[in-house]
Amino acid sequence: QKEVEQNSGPLSVPEGAIASLNCTYSDRGSQSFFWYRQYSGKSPELIMSIYSNGDKEDGRFTAQLNKASQYVSLLIRDSQPSDSATYLCAVDGRMDSSYKLIFGSGTRLLVRP
Amino acid sequence: SAVISQKPSRDICQRGTSLTIQCQVDSQVTMMFWYRQQPGQSLTLIATANQGSEATYESGFVIDKFPISRPNLTFSTLTVSNMSPEDSSIYLCSAAGGFAEAFFGQGTRLTVV
Repeated sequence: QKEVEQNSGPLSVPEGAIASLNCTYSDRGSQSFFWYRQYSGKSPELIMSIYSNGDKEDGRFTAQLNKASQYVSLLIRDSQPSDSATYLCAVDGRMDSSYKLIFGSGTRLLVRP
Repeated sequence: SAVISQKPSRDICQRGTSLTIQCQVDSQVTMMFWYRQQPGQSLTLIATANQGSEATYESGFVIDKFPISRPNLTFSTLTVSNMSPEDSSIYLCSAAGGFAEAFFGQGTRLTVV
């Protein structure tokens, strides 16, 4: 059973701080990794994708991937109260020609004003 | 990114009845998926909707309970059959243009009474 693990939180950080969200996955064959943000009562929204080892930056967001350690992280710099949401890590669970995303349980982030 | 329209956005149904949820994508996509999300929980994949053939169901989900159609590359339906209160949940349609990121519809909040 392919798994994606996240700390459920809540992770509480003060406004302006760096929030660090972590995710581990079990399938060494996974090649695509995503972070989604989900506000309460809304559907998930893609915020970052990463496919190769290293860092990928987009504005205040940085995704980090380490395939050897099977570890993905998301850093949010200068955290804002509007960043308060649940962050879902997703990893591809491809097999032959089929493709699907496996989601972690999500980490709830609270940014204190 | 694909724009996904899902309807209805919410419904209250009597137990024993069925509800069909529609999902329309604004462009042709390779993959379409149906998820369920219980309150406070992560996403659980119900099935992958395959164009022109039977859907691929995940463990714990069966076609008789959740029949799925996908007549073309932009449209899919999920039916929740013979509903019970345990089927009360948010149902989400998702689409991906290949082995890549997936986007979500706004979800259908179903309450079975």
